[in-house]
Amino acid sequence: GIQVEQSPPDLILQEGANSTLRCNLSDSVNNLQWFHQNPWGQLINLFYIPSGTKQNGRLSATTVATERYSLLYISSSQTTDSGVYFCAGGAPAYSGAGSYQLTFGKGTKLSVIP
Amino acid sequence: DSGVTQTPKHLITATGQRVTLRCSPRSGDLSVYWYQQSLDQGLQFLIQYYNGEERAKGNILERFSAQQFPDLHSELNLSSLELGDSALYFCASSVGAASGNTIYFGEGSWLTVV
Repeated sequence: GIQVEQSPPDLILQEGANSTLRCNLSDSVNNLQWFHQNPWGQLINLFYIPSGTKQNGRLSATTVATERYSLLYISSSQTTDSGVYFCAGGAPAYSGAGSYQLTFGKGTKLSVIP
Repeated sequence: DSGVTQTPKHLITATGQRVTLRCSPRSGDLSVYWYQQSLDQGLQFLIQYYNGEERAKGNILERFSAQQFPDLHSELNLSSLELGDSALYFCASSVGAASGNTIYFGEGSWLTVV
């Protein structure tokens, strides 16, 4: 299966700072999703971004599918941005078309301090 | 709120026991997935169902089983529980079964085996 590597593993930011999180994939994927896991454990969809660039408020993401990486940008960070950010690559499971699994990276743990 | 509903939210049980986790997918979604998140293994794919049919199996133990019912809700059964089964179990859903679909996660069921 594919391998998903995320960097950095840990990040501490002062409130108001900007940051870039990176996700590298070992192989081509049919899609890529970014998630935020808050301190209560909830996994929240941020972006579905197999290629190109998307923006949602202070967050934006870019995926360069040909080079198998994706970047998540967080601008003007707030304490509520704290948590773990996961990148996940989607591809057919071993059983082929009509099956699907997301492979997750280990995440980037972000702490935003006031 | 992703629209995926999981119950119970928290569960404490003894080793050797059996538990059932329940999931209702988002309205209109036919595909259901189960994932396990543990401290040592991270987020791992367990199994996928589409419209009642098993489509893919990941790292699911033989002691675990799942099914999707005609009303599309799904249950994950965990039996002969061991301490190492303590984890956060996520259900997720998507419209289709193939990897071009966005997957949405429920809030998870925290299982503690004592």
